[in-house]
Amino acid sequence: DQQVKQNSPSLSVQEGRISILNCDYTNSMFDYFLWYKKYPAEGPTFLISISSIKDKNEDGRFTVFLNKSAKHLSLHIVPSQPGDSAVYFCAASARAGGTSYGKLTFGQGTILTVHP
Amino acid sequence: DAGVTQSPTHLIKTRGQQVTLRCSPKSGHDTVSWYQQALGQGPQFIFQYYEEEERQRGNFPDRFSGHQFPNYSSELNVNALLLGDSALYLCASSLALGTETQYFGPGTRLLVL
Repeated sequence: DQQVKQNSPSLSVQEGRISILNCDYTNSMFDYFLWYKKYPAEGPTFLISISSIKDKNEDGRFTVFLNKSAKHLSLHIVPSQPGDSAVYFCAASARAGGTSYGKLTFGQGTILTVHP
Repeated sequence: DAGVTQSPTHLIKTRGQQVTLRCSPKSGHDTVSWYQQALGQGPQFIFQYYEEEERQRGNFPDRFSGHQFPNYSSELNVNALLLGDSALYLCASSLALGTETQYFGPGTRLLVL
């Protein structure tokens, strides 16, 4: 049961253009969403997150959009740079109890390649 | 500010053996989660430790067990290794209350022959 899906295994973009990575989820209990970037032989690096009470969060070149009715989120990178080439994972979380969060449920990842 | 550290970086074992992986959380964090990442897949949640107790567990057999120490560091133990246990094992740390973001270590690459 894949509760978080990234349907595009790969994305290729020209340097300076916008990269849009998409993610869909099925579990309506998810209320916090995160994007991680992963280089080979390294652990995932946290990029940006969004709470379900918001529909947009921006941090520099990175913007995450959340559409709760469609259970869809996307990560926009503008402008894209060659150093952005990596695997991008979206992840979702639900409160495990009280105010604390438990496990992250990840998508399968999207390989982003930014060409100079 | 030290990030999440894991040891060893690589490990080769044979089927049936046991393995212990170690994790030190980011400074100030008190919660440790473990994930298994198979090739081409996203990380899969194994379990989470807080206050030296297993707080939440994913869909992994009892061969996978863990421990958290008073200094918040953690160990992941896998008994009776199978070929399918070959994967990248990731440790993530976070604060139990007030933050939802988990920060990952570099991982331990386990190969079972």
